[in-house]
Amino acid sequence: QTVVTQEPSFSVSPGGTVTLTCGLSSGSVSTSYYPSWYQQTPGQAPRTLIYSTNTRSSGVPDRFSGSILGNKAALTITGAQADDESDYYCVLYMASGMVFGGGTKLTVL
Amino acid sequence: QVQLQESGPGLVKPSQTLSLTCTVSGGSISSGDYYWSWIRQPPGKGLEWIGYIFNSGSTYYNPSLKSRVTISVDTSKNQFSLKLSSVTAADTAMYYCARVGWLRFVDYWGQGTLVTVSS
Repeated sequence: QTVVTQEPSFSVSPGGTVTLTCGLSSGSVSTSYYPSWYQQTPGQAPRTLIYSTNTRSSGVPDRFSGSILGNKAALTITGAQADDESDYYCVLYMASGMVFGGGTKLTVL
Repeated sequence: QVQLQESGPGLVKPSQTLSLTCTVSGGSISSGDYYWSWIRQPPGKGLEWIGYIFNSGSTYYNPSLKSRVTISVDTSKNQFSLKLSSVTAADTAMYYCARVGWLRFVDYWGQGTLVTVSS
């Protein structure tokens, strides 16, 4: 089964920019995988950030943006804030259904 | 505003069947092109899609769980349900119900319910 890959962890300074990626163990991610991104803080249900590659969900600040970079989907946070410290998950839609990446733990310090 | 709420036993014995229900409010479960979904998260680990059911009754399951999973819908109660058979400790997790739109993303999440598998 195809695995969705994410960086296990990432660090960014307050005010900085960070790009998290979402790839495939075999092949390239394209818009036809409908990449979506979710933010989760401890003890909370996930929050939807981005869907269909680059569409922000309602209420999501415009410092969160999605794109395709090379052969991966990407989530970019511009001007990182302390409360962006969370786990971030990408999801790709495949013939077998929805497949979650393993998640990236983002630290803001 | 659509809301989803999970309910069911918080403790299940090994080898038994885990059963959860998701009650949908703020909208009809039978209207629109939506996939009513179950997603889980073992303690300290990542999210895993379990499966979903479309309004037509068509079901789609994670291949790794397919042999043990059944998702069904009760339109009269505006609910959908999950059954996971032959559970083991590895099935201990927070279980979320969710709505997936036609663009294949989760637009509404339940709060989640913790299910522990233990004798």
